[in-house]
Amino acid sequence: EVQLVESGGDLVQPGRSLRLSCTASGFTFGDYALSWVRQAPGKGLEWVGFIRRKTYDGTTEYAASVKGRFTISRDDSKSIAYLQMNSLKTEDTAVYYCTRGDTGAFDPWGQGTLVTVSS
Amino acid sequence: QSVLTQPPSVSGAPGQRVTISCTGSSSNIGAGYDVHWYQQLPGIAPKLLIYGNNNRPSGVPDRFSGSKSGTSASLAITGLQAEDEADYYCQSHDSSLSGVIFGGGTKLTVL
Repeated sequence: EVQLVESGGDLVQPGRSLRLSCTASGFTFGDYALSWVRQAPGKGLEWVGFIRRKTYDGTTEYAASVKGRFTISRDDSKSIAYLQMNSLKTEDTAVYYCTRGDTGAFDPWGQGTLVTVSS
Repeated sequence: QSVLTQPPSVSGAPGQRVTISCTGSSSNIGAGYDVHWYQQLPGIAPKLLIYGNNNRPSGVPDRFSGSKSGTSASLAITGLQAEDEADYYCQSHDSSLSGVIFGGGTKLTVL
């Protein structure tokens, strides 16, 4: 079964950092791009960014709202993708989902991990 | 304000047909980028419903269908069932923003 599991969500103060992990199973992780999508409480879906597969140079793209603060990386040997979040703001409070894909359809999705930024 | 515009809510009685629109512009849907649709049941992660404008992943009932024309796309649900009550999101790509975009979401209520 293809599965993505996020972890690392927590309560953090504004200005601090946090790293989320997305552990994949059931497919050849290195063959796919991975994206992060977030959903603020009671709001819609917002794309955060993605990392391409290594055969496409493993390059990254980010939404304007997080560019320069968030960094996506991957460890294909462990089938894990990371979302490093720096200089967190209260408006970054959301459930963060990892999902397979980049510019096309996203499938599947993880169960999500909650990040709360508050003093 | 989302780049893709969806109605905030739609409703229908069991057995009826409803449609959800997704309106974009010449830099996204109108530029030829595919539209994908997701269903999000309360408290659960989104699930891919339609990909590539009008294709259903394995396991999605044929009651769900998608279409695209010009700068808009639509999701149609026929034979409404109580379990269809959920939030629905469209997704595409935008060349001006150089990134993935989502609609604001539509809450479907089955009366």
